[in-house]
Amino acid sequence: SQQGEEDPQALSIQEGENATMNCSYKTSINNLQWYRQNSGRGLVHLILIRSNEREKHSGRLRVTLDTSKKSSSLLITASRAADTASYFCATSFTGGGNKLTFGTGTQLKVEL
Amino acid sequence: GAGVSQSPSNKVTEKGKDVELRCDPISGHTALYWYRQSLGQGLEFLIYFQGNSAPDKSGLPSDRFSAERTGGSVSTLTIQRTQQEDSAVYLCASSLVGQALGNTIYFGEGSWLTVV
Repeated sequence: SQQGEEDPQALSIQEGENATMNCSYKTSINNLQWYRQNSGRGLVHLILIRSNEREKHSGRLRVTLDTSKKSSSLLITASRAADTASYFCATSFTGGGNKLTFGTGTQLKVEL
Repeated sequence: GAGVSQSPSNKVTEKGKDVELRCDPISGHTALYWYRQSLGQGLEFLIYFQGNSAPDKSGLPSDRFSAERTGGSVSTLTIQRTQQEDSAVYLCASSLVGQALGNTIYFGEGSWLTVV
C-alpha cells in the first residue's frame, strides 16, 4: 500500500500548547499535503510542500519534510479549541499520476 | 460556483437499490476526483477525471461502481445494487489541472450514503 500513516492516531492537548503530528510514507513523492476535516465531512487544504522543499510556514502552521526518512510533520503552535479536528497527510507519489493517497489521520482535541 | 457542490448530502437506500451521487466542481477546474471515506477511516481514491475522460479509475471497488463526467463539468457516481459495505461518505474534489503539478484540490462536503 502507498498509504501514509499518521502518528499519533489521537492527540489531546490544552489550549495554548503546541500540537505535533507526524506522517510517514513509503515511496518517492512529488509533493505532500496536509488537510483538516471537521466532523467527518469536507476536507480543507492547509498546506502543500514539494519534494524539494524542507519546511513551509502558514500562519500558526509549520510543516517539515524529510525525504530521506520519508516523513513529514505538522506543527500547530498556540493551539485553540477551534483547531479540534482530524488532520490528514496526503501524498502525490512519483508515478502515481494525479491520485492523492491519504493517511488514516490524527484526531486532535484541544481542550479549554 | 464558489465551491465544490455535492448532492444529496445524505442518502439512505435499501440494499440492492441503485444510487446516483452528483458533483458540481468549481467552475473552470478541469480535474475532478471521487474519494470514499468509511467511518473513522482515511480517504480511499476511487476515480480521477481530466475533462470528460477518466485516465485513472483504478480505485473503483467493483463493477457495480461507475462514474461519468459530461461537458467537462458535472460528474455522477453511480452505485448499482448497493450493499451495506458501500455505506460511507463519498467526497468529490476538483482542481485547476491535475494535482501532480502541485495544484491544490478542493473538496466538497460529501454525500453520506447509508445502505440499510
